[in-house]
Amino acid sequence: AQSVTQLDSQVPVFEEAPVELRCNYSSSVSVYLFWYVQYPNQGLQLLLKYLSGSTLVKGINGFEAEFNKSQTSFHLRKPSVHISDTAEYFCAVSHRSSASKIIFGSGTRLSIRP
Amino acid sequence: GAGVSQSPRYKVTKRGQDVALRCDPISGHVSLYWYRQALGQGPEFLTYFNYEAQQDKSGLPNDRFSAERPEGSISTLTIQRTEQRDSAMYRCASSLLGGVGQGPNEKLFFGSGTQLSVL
Repeated sequence: AQSVTQLDSQVPVFEEAPVELRCNYSSSVSVYLFWYVQYPNQGLQLLLKYLSGSTLVKGINGFEAEFNKSQTSFHLRKPSVHISDTAEYFCAVSHRSSASKIIFGSGTRLSIRP
Repeated sequence: GAGVSQSPRYKVTKRGQDVALRCDPISGHVSLYWYRQALGQGPEFLTYFNYEAQQDKSGLPNDRFSAERPEGSISTLTIQRTEQRDSAMYRCASSLLGGVGQGPNEKLFFGSGTQLSVL
């Protein structure tokens, strides 16, 4: 069964600094990978997803992630963060044969300091 | 409607009571998903439907949990004989095409959730 590990439960960064949120997945078969964001008191929203093709995926709000099959990673990056990026970020994976069963990681809370 | 609607927003119940949580997906969306999210954790998959058919219920914790979507639109998640460990945020999501692998524009739209507290 696939699973997702987000090693950092909290990541504090200064405004306009770059950020990387780490995600590793475990699966022996082909997968789809996702990053979702949850702003305070809101539902989850899709930031980006990897289905196939280019390993560098660009999402909304200036975020991007890179699929690395050899390292089974899908880290999320942004070159310059804003206060409005304060939120919880969830990495997720699904198996291609049961794509609708999405397994989420435990989340990383990104806090931006002015 | 404009988004996925869940009701009630908050539900407080006593241990042993049954509860029914409702999800009204975005009109026309084929798939509907139920997740449970404990405080400080990511969403945990429970079950999902395509139209009225329950495609996967492997995430339902035990037989006290059940879900239905009889007309392929509104769904109800029912928890019988609630226990304190059932306390969590229950989230519903819907998607248009019937699966997140259906293309680059396919995605889950989440509701705001129902916060269930079992005393």
